[in-house]
Amino acid sequence: AQSVTQLGSHVSVSEGALVLLRCNYSSSVPPYLFWYVQYPNQGLQLLLKYTSAATLVKGINGFEAEFKKSETSFHLTKPSAHMSDAAEYFCAVSGAPTSGTYKYIFGTGTRLKVLA
Amino acid sequence: DAGVIQSPRHEVTEMGQEVTLRCKPISGHNSLFWYRQTMMRGLELLIYFNNNVPIDDSGMPEDRFSAKMPNASFSTLKIQPSEPRDSAVYFCASRVSGNTIYFGEGSWLTVV
Repeated sequence: AQSVTQLGSHVSVSEGALVLLRCNYSSSVPPYLFWYVQYPNQGLQLLLKYTSAATLVKGINGFEAEFKKSETSFHLTKPSAHMSDAAEYFCAVSGAPTSGTYKYIFGTGTRLKVLA
Repeated sequence: DAGVIQSPRHEVTEMGQEVTLRCKPISGHNSLFWYRQTMMRGLELLIYFNNNVPIDDSGMPEDRFSAKMPNASFSTLKIQPSEPRDSAVYFCASRVSGNTIYFGEGSWLTVV
């Protein structure tokens, strides 16, 4: 079984400040982990993914995330927030292809607000 | 490259009417997913197909919902009869085996 927990449904940061969005996962098989972003009235867009290679993953728009197996975490960070980063962010877990687990399980999302 | 294409983008319908949502996955992708997004429950996986075959439909809320994938380039999600509580955004997503899933822009459904 797999699950994802995103801590904090709403996060506010000042423009230029560090962004930290938290994600913890549970998985009975080696996980693949993803962060997606959703802008208003749009679909979900992939930010970055972890697929058992490097534990520090860099994505688009300056975001990165680090896979920490010991902490079962995959937190999303960005050194300096920009107004355009305001959106909803979703963490997701899936099994590796060889696990036979096809499902993507999404967290409940974290809405990021960037203050001028 | 064309992404996942969904239609209609917006639909308003009366309670009791049949609703059909359509999806064209990315060419070459062999898995297709239907998700529903609401404020109360977030993103819920309704059903997914692999090579046009339904693998898991445990997320389909009830018998009023049905999904088909007659070929690799087309899928439908049907609600009959529709109810106000079905109002949500319905996303279709597709994936090449083992890799990232790509979402469509969603179909905004309002049942009045």
